[in-house]
Amino acid sequence: EVQLVQSGAEVKKPGESLKISCRTSGYIFTTYWIGWVRQMPGKGLEWMGIISPSNSHSRYNPSLEDQAIISVDKSISTAFLHWRSLKASDTAIYYCARLRMVGTTIYYFDSWGQGTLVSVSS
Amino acid sequence: QAVLGQPPSASGTPGQTVTISCSGSGSNIESNTVNWYQQIPGTAPKLLIYANTQRPSGVPDRFSGSQSGTSASLAISGLQSEDEADYYCAAWDDSLNGFVFGTGTKVTVL
Repeated sequence: EVQLVQSGAEVKKPGESLKISCRTSGYIFTTYWIGWVRQMPGKGLEWMGIISPSNSHSRYNPSLEDQAIISVDKSISTAFLHWRSLKASDTAIYYCARLRMVGTTIYYFDSWGQGTLVSVSS
Repeated sequence: QAVLGQPPSASGTPGQTVTISCSGSGSNIESNTVNWYQQIPGTAPKLLIYANTQRPSGVPDRFSGSQSGTSASLAISGLQSEDEADYYCAAWDDSLNGFVFGTGTKVTVL
């Protein structure tokens, strides 16, 4: 069974750094890209970026400024989202999801993590 | 930021059919396939439809998707109380070189 299990909720102050994780199991980690999706309080879903676990090649949403960095550790089949300096506007739920790509026109996130709530407040 | 347009809300009584529209452009819906996700409040999104019309294993056939040109739609037939949720369309966007999500539609079962 494919599973994506995310790290727990975080409460941070503006300016602090943070790294949240997405541990995968049930499939070969390097076979599928992983994406991160943000959901701000009471708002919709926003695509943040994706990363290829096989070579760490990544793409980010150019519409999101100063956003977090995506990385992976193949040895533990885990993806990460890292902030160097958090802002109050980073308060949101962050979801990781496995990306399926079929040919050049079929793209979808088929399995999702449970979400990590990040709260940033002074 | 490129987003796909959806009505903010839709509703129906049990047993009725509710249809949700998703409006995009040539760089997303017209060029790549559409997905639909269901998000019950307090939980993670769940894939309902992929490749415009395909249902993952376990998704009831009451849910169906279609796509034409720059628009797509999700139909929920035989509406049930457990269908109360937020529904999002999504597609790859060739101009953004990334994903775009719809604005979301809240479905209420009256």
